[in-house]
Amino acid sequence: AQSVTQLDSQVPVFEEAPVELRCNYSSSVSVYLFWYVQYPNQGLQLLLKYLSGSTLVKGINGFEAEFNKSQTSFHLRKPSVHISDTAEYFCAVTVSSNTGKLIFGQGTTLQVKP
Amino acid sequence: GAGVSQSPSNKVTEKGKDVELRCDPISGHTALYWYRQSLGQGLEFLIYFQGNSAPDKSGLPSDRFSAERTGGSVSTLTIQRTQQEDSAVYLCASSPSGPRNTFGSGTRLTVV
Repeated sequence: AQSVTQLDSQVPVFEEAPVELRCNYSSSVSVYLFWYVQYPNQGLQLLLKYLSGSTLVKGINGFEAEFNKSQTSFHLRKPSVHISDTAEYFCAVTVSSNTGKLIFGQGTTLQVKP
Repeated sequence: GAGVSQSPSNKVTEKGKDVELRCDPISGHTALYWYRQSLGQGLEFLIYFQGNSAPDKSGLPSDRFSAERTGGSVSTLTIQRTQQEDSAVYLCASSPSGPRNTFGSGTRLTVV
């Protein structure tokens, strides 16, 4: 079975500072990886995904993530955050490219302070 | 429509009552998913419909939960004899194929 661990439940950071949100997964088969963002009282919005190819994936809003198979990680990074990036971020995994049946991590709340 | 629509946005119900939650997927999306987001359990997969295939019900937590999708479009998630632990946000997503989910804003269910 697959599982996803987001190592930090909350990450406080000052505006314009860089940030990394950590995600590790466990799976005995190849996986496809995703990061979603959830703003208050809204649904999930896809930030980026890794299906194949380059291990460095660029997404919306200046975010990027790197798939590291040896470390089973898919950490999310942004070089300079804005107040508007304050939200909850979810890492997710699936073992099939044919389905959106996802297994999610517990989420990380990013708090950007002025 | 332009996005995935869920109704109601909020629902308060008494323990023991039945509730129905509705999801209108994006037109043309063949796959539809229900997830539950709760404080203790995070985001959990509940059920998945793909075209005319039998649904994947592997995430439904008990036989009080059921879902149907009529005409390959609208879906209804039904919870019978609601319990306080059913309080959560229920999210619906649809996809044209593969892991290309678009999520709705969810229904916040509170069981009192």
